[in-house]
Amino acid sequence: QVQLQESGPGLVKPSQTLSLTCIVSGGSTSSDDYFWSWIRQHPGKGLEWIGYIYYSGSTYYNPSLKSRVTISVDTSKTQFSLKVSSVTAADTAVYYCARENGGPEVWGQGTTVTVSS
Amino acid sequence: DIQMTQSPSSLSASVGDRVTITCRASQGIRNDLGWYQQKPGRAPKRLIYAASSLQSGVPSRFSGSGSGTEFTLTISSLQPEDFATYYCLQHNNYPWTFGQGTKVEIK
Repeated sequence: QVQLQESGPGLVKPSQTLSLTCIVSGGSTSSDDYFWSWIRQHPGKGLEWIGYIYYSGSTYYNPSLKSRVTISVDTSKTQFSLKVSSVTAADTAVYYCARENGGPEVWGQGTTVTVSS
Repeated sequence: DIQMTQSPSSLSASVGDRVTITCRASQGIRNDLGWYQQKPGRAPKRLIYAASSLQSGVPSRFSGSGSGTEFTLTISSLQPEDFATYYCLQHNNYPWTFGQGTKVEIK
């Protein structure tokens, strides 16, 4: 049974780059059956889909974040990553990674990232 | 972006009640819709995919229906563990978008 686990710093300074990794266990990021995505949830708010990556490296990013977001995949390590550059307080959120199969199917538990000096 | 409008935004119900949540898409999305349940401090959990297919392991009291622009999630007999926030998600058109959520509270 596949499981996903986010990891990364919980505190990032404004203007810096937020970097998170999602480790996939019980499955492979080199599978052509799935996409691998990132989703975030601002405190007390709804959910925002950030984007996803296919094992081949092809990506789609939400235009609301596109200029600042990079998602990459390391199939050898069964993990994928998220980078958000030039962060502000508005990027403070719980960040989730997910495996997509007709929409996000399996989710990580989430990791809280706070942007503050 | 496709706008997903959920209603109601919150509701109060009793154990055993039948509960219906509606999601309306700003344009047709075929059946490319999922329903998610989220409890406080937890990740969302998918209940329904392809508008009406029950995710494996999800109790049969949950059901989904609809196609095009109108979708419904029904809980046939509300149980104590069902008090949570529910979201719809469309994955027909980029970017995927969620409804604003429906909080189901105890009456």
